[in-house]
Amino acid sequence: ILNVEQSPQSLHVQEGDSTNFTCSFPSSNFYALHWYRWETAKSPEALFVMTLNGDEKKKGRISATLNTKEGYSYLYIKGSQPEDSATYLCAFISGNTGKLIFGQGTTLQVKP
Amino acid sequence: ETGVTQSPTHLIKTRGQQVTLRCSSQSGHNTVSWYQQALGQGPQFIFQYYREEENGRGNFPPRFSGLQFPNYSSELNVNALELDDSALYLCASSFLSQGSGTEAFFGQGTRLTVV
Repeated sequence: ILNVEQSPQSLHVQEGDSTNFTCSFPSSNFYALHWYRWETAKSPEALFVMTLNGDEKKKGRISATLNTKEGYSYLYIKGSQPEDSATYLCAFISGNTGKLIFGQGTTLQVKP
Repeated sequence: ETGVTQSPTHLIKTRGQQVTLRCSSQSGHNTVSWYQQALGQGPQFIFQYYREEENGRGNFPPRFSGLQFPNYSSELNVNALELDDSALYLCASSFLSQGSGTEAFFGQGTRLTVV
């Protein structure tokens, strides 16, 4: 059974704070790691697709790193804004199957 | 907008009944996957269809079945509904190819309640 764990489960921060979440996944048979942002009443949307050990990706104030040897990825949000409030999901792909194995998500609330 | 639509958005069914959920994928995508999200959990993989054939299945019983059609639409069918089938069902379309990162595009989901 392949397990993907995310921490923390939820997070409340003030506007302007920087924050980070962790995703842990199996280090064997790695193919890709995805991060999705899921806002209430909307569809999950892909933030990053990461495939190589040491990958660092950035989109605006959000960035992610990947360590496939030890099986973890970090998502960072710099200067959180209320519009960043969402659930952030990571998903692991083992082999080129396209099958996403999700963590349980980290729910972020940014207070103005 | 992900270009993936699901219908209906909400549905209430009685235990023992059958239900069909529908998904319209992005044009050009050859793969559709279905996920079940129960309260407080991440989405769980049900199965995947690649070029209209089942291409992998998660830990779900045979009463969960699917179809993928050439016109980029697909269905998830659940027979003999149980109370525990109450969940949000998500479909995701992607283009699966060798060496691809297979970013998935999700619909908004169908909220199924079994009473």
